Amino acid sequence: ILNVEQSPQSLHVQEGDSTNFTCSFPSSNFYALHWYRWETAKSPEALFVMTLNGDEKKKGRISATLNTKEGYSYLYIKGSQPEDSATYLCASSGGYQKVTFGTGTKLQVIP
Amino acid sequence: GAVVSQHPSWVICKSGTSVKIECRSLDFQATTMFWYRQFPKQSLMLMATSNEGSKATYEQGVEKDKFLINHASLTLSTLTVTSAHPEDSSFYICSARDGSTTFYNEQFFGPGTRLTVL
Repeated sequence: ILNVEQSPQSLHVQEGDSTNFTCSFPSSNFYALHWYRWETAKSPEALFVMTLNGDEKKKGRISATLNTKEGYSYLYIKGSQPEDSATYLCASSGGYQKVTFGTGTKLQVIP
Repeated sequence: GAVVSQHPSWVICKSGTSVKIECRSLDFQATTMFWYRQFPKQSLMLMATSNEGSKATYEQGVEKDKFLINHASLTLSTLTVTSAHPEDSSFYICSARDGSTTFYNEQFFGPGTRLTVL
């Protein structure tokens, strides 16, 4: 994998459902993996930064895991709420400063 | 904390004119600021990295004479799109790194500017 890829591109879930999406990144020369939450007309908000293989981070109903050997990260949302509707971006950096972004997963939670 | 503002949030201009976009770190000193561009359904693409008091470093394929970047203070960077053309229409977003912390390339983003060139 040369670029950062996210899937799915978009999804709709019912309120209360749990969901997850994937970020794939180059596993060579890996430094850090970032997840952002981006609501329309607002600034992307940092959710997690992970660096170690096997890392798992949690923030309320949202959690993320990291596999640096195979180059993927999962973001999980438990019991989705309408306010979770946003685009979720992941970004990988392979060295100081430069960060490569995925195209994002657009989540719509239906009440 | 770590708030970045960007102005204007949207701008419409005529072809051939220049447009300046400002990016400010409101509550921290940003030794490094980044400028990204995003076309529809594509990812954020880094255009340039600017360090306070020095010339910006542009990514391959980005014309430095067209996209002028100034980072004259620790809280302000500007991007000027010179002689704008319709193909420059895009979403431009800046981010800033807090000079007092370097936590795994953590960046704080502005809300972005939608540029439409007629």
